[in-house]
Amino acid sequence: QKEVEQNSGPLSVPEGAIASLNCTYSDRGSQSFFWYRQYSGKSPELIMSIYSNGDKEDGRFTAQLNKASQYVSLLIRDSQPSDSATYLCAVNQEDSNYQLIWGAGTKLIIKP
Amino acid sequence: DGGITQSPKYLFRKEGQNVTLSCEQNLNHDAMYWYRQDPGQGLRLIYYSQIVNDFQKGDIAEGYSVSREKKESFPLTVTSAQKNPTAFYLCASRPGGSVNYGYTFGSGTRLTVV
Repeated sequence: QKEVEQNSGPLSVPEGAIASLNCTYSDRGSQSFFWYRQYSGKSPELIMSIYSNGDKEDGRFTAQLNKASQYVSLLIRDSQPSDSATYLCAVNQEDSNYQLIWGAGTKLIIKP
Repeated sequence: DGGITQSPKYLFRKEGQNVTLSCEQNLNHDAMYWYRQDPGQGLRLIYYSQIVNDFQKGDIAEGYSVSREKKESFPLTVTSAQKNPTAFYLCASRPGGSVNYGYTFGSGTRLTVV
């Protein structure tokens, strides 16, 4: 059973601090990795994708990938109350180009 | 603007009734997916389709049916055999040909049994 694991939280972070969200996956052949943000009652929206080992930065967001450790993380700098949401990690299946395996999500709360 | 349209936004089903959730995309995406999300839970795959006139069961297909007669459309029917259908239903699509594409989601349909 191929799995994606996330800490369910809630993760509470003060406004202005760095929020660190983590995800581990079991399929060693996975090639692409995605972070989605889901506000309460809304649908998920893609915020970051990463395919190579290392860091990828986009504004206040940084995705980090370590394929050897099967670990992907999302850092949010200068956290804002509007960042409060559930963050879903998704990883592609090696044996199918079309399916993502989803983590259950980490609930992030930014405290003013 | 390109996107995925789900309708209705809210749907109420009586016991023993079949209901159909609509999903239409104008992104020219090959693959389409239906997920169910329960409160505080992750996404669970119901059905997916990689090409027109072909679809596969996901992890929780029992009590659901789909069709893919057009590339743009992937409707989901919740049948009376689905005993606990109250949930948030999400439709998603993805281009074919590369593992590097994420999914684009519709805004969802919230189904409640009354």
